[in-house]
Amino acid sequence: KAGVTQTPRYLIKTRGQQVTLSCSPISGHRSVSWYQQTPGQGLQFLFEYFSETQRNKGNFPGRFSGRQFSNSRSEMNVSTLELGDSALYLCASSLKSVYTKDEQYFGPGTRLTVT
Amino acid sequence: SQQGEEDPQALSIQEGENATMNCSYKTSINNLQWYRQNSGRGLVHLILIRSNEREKHSGRLRVTLDTSKKSSSLLITASRAADTASYFCATDARVTGGGNKLTFGTGTQLKVEL
Repeated sequence: KAGVTQTPRYLIKTRGQQVTLSCSPISGHRSVSWYQQTPGQGLQFLFEYFSETQRNKGNFPGRFSGRQFSNSRSEMNVSTLELGDSALYLCASSLKSVYTKDEQYFGPGTRLTVT
Repeated sequence: SQQGEEDPQALSIQEGENATMNCSYKTSINNLQWYRQNSGRGLVHLILIRSNEREKHSGRLRVTLDTSKKSSSLLITASRAADTASYFCATDARVTGGGNKLTFGTGTQLKVEL
């Protein structure tokens, strides 16, 4: 089985711009979660999607949004980028959702740099 | 805020020695998981221990869970240079409004020297 893929792997954007990151989960996985990782804040949960519905959301401003398609692929969007949005964005997929969190399979991440 | 706090923040040992990392958390959990991350890459799942389990083994890994103390430990025996990485605990817990969320700890940076 192919692993979780994320595109692009690296991205440089300017303050005020917007960005869309993509994640393709492992075949058969319906749950996709997004995390932001920074040296200062560590791994922070952004949101989780299951069967095209957002199931949980972390404490991030409305500039961060996401969606999931019928084939379970997911995208996250950050509008009006700020310098503090520079981070490694990780996507993870799993079989289950909502009532229990089992093993998460992570992609390699997208390294976003905002200048 | 982080659910899990890990101790120590950094650990440096010689190849062949054992490495022990600890994780403390705050709320009731369904399960606790340990992950490894190599230098800015994706995380790799190591082991999952459920709230009704006390100890679990996987190869050179041994995980314990004490729900009364809200703590867990990860022991890596006979460490190798390839074990150099950051290790994170993650807790699966119910969130307000329904559903569960996986929350990651602050991580322990392990360096295994030859």
